[in-house]
Amino acid sequence: NAGVTQTPKFRILKIGQSMTLQCTQDMNHNYMYWYRQDPGMGLKLIYYSVGAGITDKGEVPNGYNVSRSTTEDFPLRLELAAPSQTSVYFCASSPLRRGYNEQFFGPGTRLTVL
Amino acid sequence: KNQVEQSPQSLIILEGKNCTLQCNYTVSPFSNLRWYKQDTGRGPVSLTIMTFSENTKSNGRYTATLDADTKQSSLHITASQLSDSASYICVVEAAGNKLTFGGGTRVLVKP
Repeated sequence: NAGVTQTPKFRILKIGQSMTLQCTQDMNHNYMYWYRQDPGMGLKLIYYSVGAGITDKGEVPNGYNVSRSTTEDFPLRLELAAPSQTSVYFCASSPLRRGYNEQFFGPGTRLTVL
Repeated sequence: KNQVEQSPQSLIILEGKNCTLQCNYTVSPFSNLRWYKQDTGRGPVSLTIMTFSENTKSNGRYTATLDADTKQSSLHITASQLSDSASYICVVEAAGNKLTFGGGTRVLVKP
């Protein structure tokens, strides 16, 4: 299993540009998540999905959109990039399971908005 | 508001030495606490997960403790190796699968 994969690894955007961060998992997990990590700060949840066709907002959803048309893919869309969106973005997935929410993370996408 | 505070923010230790990282939390209702290791340029990887009834759990040279009464946890690294250089993140899960992440402790192991 490749686990959770993210593309691209790095990206530089100009203010106002748009882009999509890709995330794919091959573990057949129901739950998927997008986080952003700012230097020295804890991960903040942007959006999450409990299954194909279902998405919901996290703590910091403004400026982002998501879709979940398949179990495997959970792309994150930035429509009008702003410098405040400079961050490292992590995608994660977890199985539908009672007990605890064990999340598996991708390697991250480092985004700079200039 | 749910919060997870970690200390210190960073530390430097010599190879072979031990160190202890601290995590204080105010998360309710508590479900479990886990420690993640995050290597530079990588996503976090789970080291240990502890529920309310567990007060210690080990994973090789990593030992985590949990005091649910005082809402504190620690991660002890024994006989540190250069590969232990990473950020260590404390994460607390509340009932309902909501996770709160600490800011992490950056550990640098020097030869």
